[in-house]
Amino acid sequence: SQQGEEDPQALSIQEGENATMNCSYKTSINNLQWYRQNSGRGLVHLILIRSNEREKHSGRLRVTLDTSKKSSSLLITASRAADTASYFCATPGRSSASKIIFGSGTRLSIRP
Amino acid sequence: DTAVSQTPKYLVTQMGNDKSIKCEQNLGHDTMYWYKQDSKKFLKIMFSYNNKELIINETVPNRFSPKSPDKAHLNLHINSLELGDSAVYFCASSPSGQGETQYFGPGTRLLVL
Repeated sequence: SQQGEEDPQALSIQEGENATMNCSYKTSINNLQWYRQNSGRGLVHLILIRSNEREKHSGRLRVTLDTSKKSSSLLITASRAADTASYFCATPGRSSASKIIFGSGTRLSIRP
Repeated sequence: DTAVSQTPKYLVTQMGNDKSIKCEQNLGHDTMYWYKQDSKKFLKIMFSYNNKELIINETVPNRFSPKSPDKAHLNLHINSLELGDSAVYFCASSPSGQGETQYFGPGTRLLVL
């Protein structure tokens, strides 16, 4: 079963604006990951945040984690056309540490 | 150099046929995975191998059989293909299979007619 749920399912913004996507999950985790999938491509890892971290940055990406609310957010600042993609959060599986469970994804469109 | 590669990229076949998808990783990782992504973009794990040993086997029809000849390769054989098997199949690998970053291949788009 799914662990993470992204919100919104789809987001369309103007180039240059910031994009925020949220992920909620159900059980305790030791880390949470965000991945990007461009149309017709495989997933690419963006960032991993551990349960003892509250915020992490990578370039124009900022990820927050609130373990008390079981939620995470991905902020992309100064969006570009190339940011158009689907974004997925992923958390470790409950039954097996060997697997990660992906959320349903947010489809981000950047309008020129 | 492609880290995780899959062949073929596209596969169009008739119902009832048997087909195989191949995956290779040159990252030196111990763990490899097969995922299925449906038309709604849900990504669901099917199998995982760690050092040629099957460690994850989700609820997948017996028609799907993974094979790992060595830790750099993980193939997926599908018997008696059905219309519902149409999807994109992704191979991935990770260093040790402990919930860490996974590296994905480009996907194999399977269409069953």
